[in-house]
Amino acid sequence: ETGVTQTPRHLVMGMTNKKSLKCEQHLGHNAMYWYKQSAKKPLELMFVYSLEERVENNSVPSRFSPECPNSSHLFLHLHTLQPEDSALYLCASSQGDRGPSYEQYFGPGTRLTVT
Amino acid sequence: AQSVAQPEDQVNVAEGNPLTVKCTYSVSGNPYLFWYVQYPNRGLQFLLKYITGDNLVKGSYGFEAEFNKSQTSFHLKKPSALVSDSALYFCAVRDMITATSGNTPLVFGKGTRLSVIA
Repeated sequence: ETGVTQTPRHLVMGMTNKKSLKCEQHLGHNAMYWYKQSAKKPLELMFVYSLEERVENNSVPSRFSPECPNSSHLFLHLHTLQPEDSALYLCASSQGDRGPSYEQYFGPGTRLTVT
Repeated sequence: AQSVAQPEDQVNVAEGNPLTVKCTYSVSGNPYLFWYVQYPNRGLQFLLKYITGDNLVKGSYGFEAEFNKSQTSFHLKKPSALVSDSALYFCAVRDMITATSGNTPLVFGKGTRLSVIA
């Protein structure tokens, strides 16, 4: 699990705040992902980056804004969130997004609470 | 479209007994299948995968899974459960046909909570 790190681990923010989640992978992978995990719901894929280019955006609201400055780092910028956005946000990486057999390695997640 | 179903929200088993966590899938072509485990306050951890070849796949921590094409299933098994196996287990699938032609996301089931009782 130390291959993919996420900070902060816990975040409480108001609806008018702006904050950022950070993910870093130390595995030499070239694809990175953001997922949202809510209670009693399947994992929701939010964004996919391959070689620092966004290749997938699953109709995520614009209050979530990803950034991938290089293949090792991924950010999720948050602004004017809603209480229903409270969830565990997971970052993952893999050798490639076009390699169908490649498993993904996950970070520990950021537990976000929007008040 | 690809999908995966985990029919049980919760599985309870006594320590030392065999365990099975069920998973069925639906894809257009042949599947790539994965199992992940999530311990409390942790991210998902890869356990094993089926790509091709032997239907019985062995993974981490003594877990194995059997690919059954006719039943479109990929059940996770362990011969003797440990209390430390208690966690949330996720099955995931990717369609081989669409995967090789472009981006295809990994589709996860909703998870099965395994509780091993001492």
